[in-house]
Amino acid sequence: ELKVEQNPLFLSMQEGKNYTIYCNYSTTSDRLYWYRQDPGKSLESLFVLLSNGAVKQEGRLMASLDTKARLSTLHITAAVHDLSATYFCAGYNSGGGADGLTFGKGTHLIIQP
Amino acid sequence: DTEVTHTPKHLVMGMTNKKSLKCEQHMGHRAMYWYKQKAKKPPELMFVYSYEKLSINESVPSRFSPECPNSSLLNLHLHALQPEDSALYLCASSHLLADEQFFGPGTRLTVL
Repeated sequence: ELKVEQNPLFLSMQEGKNYTIYCNYSTTSDRLYWYRQDPGKSLESLFVLLSNGAVKQEGRLMASLDTKARLSTLHITAAVHDLSATYFCAGYNSGGGADGLTFGKGTHLIIQP
Repeated sequence: DTEVTHTPKHLVMGMTNKKSLKCEQHMGHRAMYWYKQKAKKPPELMFVYSYEKLSINESVPSRFSPECPNSSLLNLHLHALQPEDSALYLCASSHLLADEQFFGPGTRLTVL
């Protein structure tokens, strides 16, 4: 059974700073997903990482995947207040029961002016 | 149309009621999912339909019953729920299993 661990679970940072959220997963997973959730809202898909060494960037966010280390990172560059949200990574769980996403606990990110 | 929609957006029900949640997508996706999300927790997978065939998370109680009438529509039938079932119920869809999932806004359910 796939297990996904994120850290940190809570992060308070200042605007303009850089930071990285880490996502470790327990078994082989060909793909890794990052989602954003604003309070009281649904999940917005940010990135799908499909292979070892994959790197994707959108604005101030960059995600990468190392399947050998079973590690994905979400890097935030020069943070701005609008990026305050909860960020989830998820792996795809298949081959036992229901095939679907297994989420990490989420990183609650607060960016202060 | 690139949306996943939920009906209703909010629902309050008693423990003896029977109600249904409805989810719809018109993106031609062949996989649809129900997730449950408690406050400050990650979503948890409940059910998956792929080409209208059901896969079940074995830990989901039988008071939740899914239905997929066609490839665009997903229902979740509720009966004899408990207060601890109060949560945000999210529907998602993807082109195929393991593809990127798109989530709807969810139905916020309160069981009294």
